Amino acid sequence: KAGVTQTPRYLIKTRGQQVTLSCSPISGHRSVSWYQQTPGQGLQFLFEYFSETQRNKGNFPGRFSGRQFSNSRSEMNVSTLELGDSALYLCASSFLDLHTGELFFGEGSRLTVL
Amino acid sequence: GENVEQHPSTLSVQEGDSAVIKCTYSDSASNYFPWYKQELGKRPQLIIDIRSNVGEKKDQRIAVTLNKTAKHFSLHITETQPEDSAVYFCAASSPTGNQFYFGTGTSLTVIP
Repeated sequence: KAGVTQTPRYLIKTRGQQVTLSCSPISGHRSVSWYQQTPGQGLQFLFEYFSETQRNKGNFPGRFSGRQFSNSRSEMNVSTLELGDSALYLCASSFLDLHTGELFFGEGSRLTVL
Repeated sequence: GENVEQHPSTLSVQEGDSAVIKCTYSDSASNYFPWYKQELGKRPQLIIDIRSNVGEKKDQRIAVTLNKTAKHFSLHITETQPEDSAVYFCAASSPTGNQFYFGTGTSLTVIP
């Protein structure tokens, strides 16, 4: 079956702009989470959605927001971009089976803020 | 919230030697501990995981151990091969399993 798909793969923005990233989970997966990956900081949790509801949010400013649609596809938005927002944004989907909590990651959207 | 620390940040070993990566966590309620491998330019992928009711789990050359009392868990790779070169991330999940806290990663280089 198809894996997690993220679009766009690469994008360049300037400070002050906003960006929207999209994630299509594996069919049947209802949980979608977002992570920011930067060198030295590892994977930092942004938020998690399940059945269109945000269940958890990490320690990121309100400029970072997201949503999930009825088909489980998710988007995240970053407004008023700052240089420090340059990172690889990874989306992960999960079936949240009781026996495994495996996250299936997409290839990421690499954002560069100039 | 949970805090996961991972050491070392970089590790170089000779091919055939063993590699050990250690992680500690802070929240005693965490009950699921996966390890992900991320090869250069690729997505992280689960390689092994362990639940809090188990002390050790093996899968061929890879093993994970968990010490709940000390709140630390480790990844052991034996007979390392060049294709083991990658960044490895440990993680701990919230009790509900819908939030994961990752370590900062260990860059493993296996020297042929």
